[in-house]
This record gives sequence, structure tokens and C-alpha cells, in this order.
Amino acid sequence: GENVEQHPSTLSVQEGDSAVIKCTYSDSASNYFPWYKQELGKRPQLIIDIRSNVGEKKDQRIAVTLNKTAKHFSLHITETQPEDSAVYFCAARRTGSGNTGKLIFGQGTTLQVKP
Amino acid sequence: EPEVTQTPSHQVTQMGQEVILRCVPISNHLYFYWYRQILGQKVEFLVSFYNNEISEKSEIFDDQFSVERPDGSNFTLKIRSTKLEDSAMYFCASSLLTGDGYTFGSGTRLTVV
Repeated sequence: GENVEQHPSTLSVQEGDSAVIKCTYSDSASNYFPWYKQELGKRPQLIIDIRSNVGEKKDQRIAVTLNKTAKHFSLHITETQPEDSAVYFCAARRTGSGNTGKLIFGQGTTLQVKP
Repeated sequence: EPEVTQTPSHQVTQMGQEVILRCVPISNHLYFYWYRQILGQKVEFLVSFYNNEISEKSEIFDDQFSVERPDGSNFTLKIRSTKLEDSAMYFCASSLLTGDGYTFGSGTRLTVV
């Protein structure tokens, strides 16, 4: 069935270093890949997304890359800051006519940025 | 910025009781969703709703669960007879189109005792 695998489950970096989180999806028909940041006890918040017609997207310190052939996508955070500490979830879904918009989430990565 | 609102923020209920979780999606959105997140785990899809009917549901969404959009603004999730394992954070979400990013509500923490 549909599945999204996310690694690592925990990641600890020094402030200023880069962090990379990787996801693999199983449904080859997936064509929309959002990333969510979730702080403790709060809602998931969309931080960046990428569609299958694009290989890379960047927004300030955050970038996402997509390899459709390998069914991999990754989140890159540069110059990490303590406020980047949170749980990050990747997700995948199909879009377009006949699709329901269901998101399949990865298991989450707890990122800790040490000052 | 428009928000999805959920009430209550926290609900404690006895096992076997019925609960109704309420959501007010963004007003012009057409697609509505419920997800749940057991503490420390990933976010899991429950159900999607469009044009006043369920468009897809997961294995979790069994006969104990139902959804309704009773008045054109509210979107509710009912659990008929709660079990201990229903304890989780429940998130409502909405989108204008299936290709859009979601807006999640702030969640309802359900505790079944």
C-alpha cells in the first residue's frame, strides 16, 4: 500500500550547521510533497512543498529536493537556529481529478539544534 | 490569514461514551479532512469529505466513526462509543482544491479514561 518512510527519526546538530531529512515514498502516482514543522502540542505547519514537475525548491534557509525516479525527497535546512528545533514530517499525495487529497505522512524527525 | 478552528481544545471522556469533535474550515474551502496523531507518533489520515459525502476513508475510520457537515460551516467528527485507543490528538484540515496545501486546525486532544 501507500507508504512514506522518513529518516532519521532523531537528528541533533550544532547551531549554524545544516540538517538533512530524507523521505522515500512508495506510490509512484504521488506528485505533491509537502513538509510540515510541528512544535510540541501544536498543529503541523506547512513550511515548504514541491510538486513533481520541479526538482528543487528553495525558500531562504529551507530547500527541498525531489528525485522522482528514485522516489526520494529531502528537506535541507542551512544555518540552523535553536528555533528550528521541532518535529518535521514529510508527506506525499496524489493530486488532480478523482483524487481525494489524502496525505500520507512519514514517521517524523525530531530535530534538536544545540546553541 | 484565515484559520481552521477546532473545539474543544481538550476533551476527556469515559470509555463507551460518544464524543463530537467540531471544526470550522476556511469558508471558501471545498475539501475537508480529519487526521489523528497518537502521542509521539505520525499523523494518520482518517477521512476526506467533499460535496457533502465521504470521498475516502482509512481502515481506522470504522463504523464507530462518522462525519457530518450539518450547516455549511461546521464539520464534525463523531466517535460513537469511545475506546481507550481512541485517545489522540485529532486534527481537522481543509483545502480549496486537492492539489493545494492544507491548513490544519489547532487540534482537539481526546483523552478516553
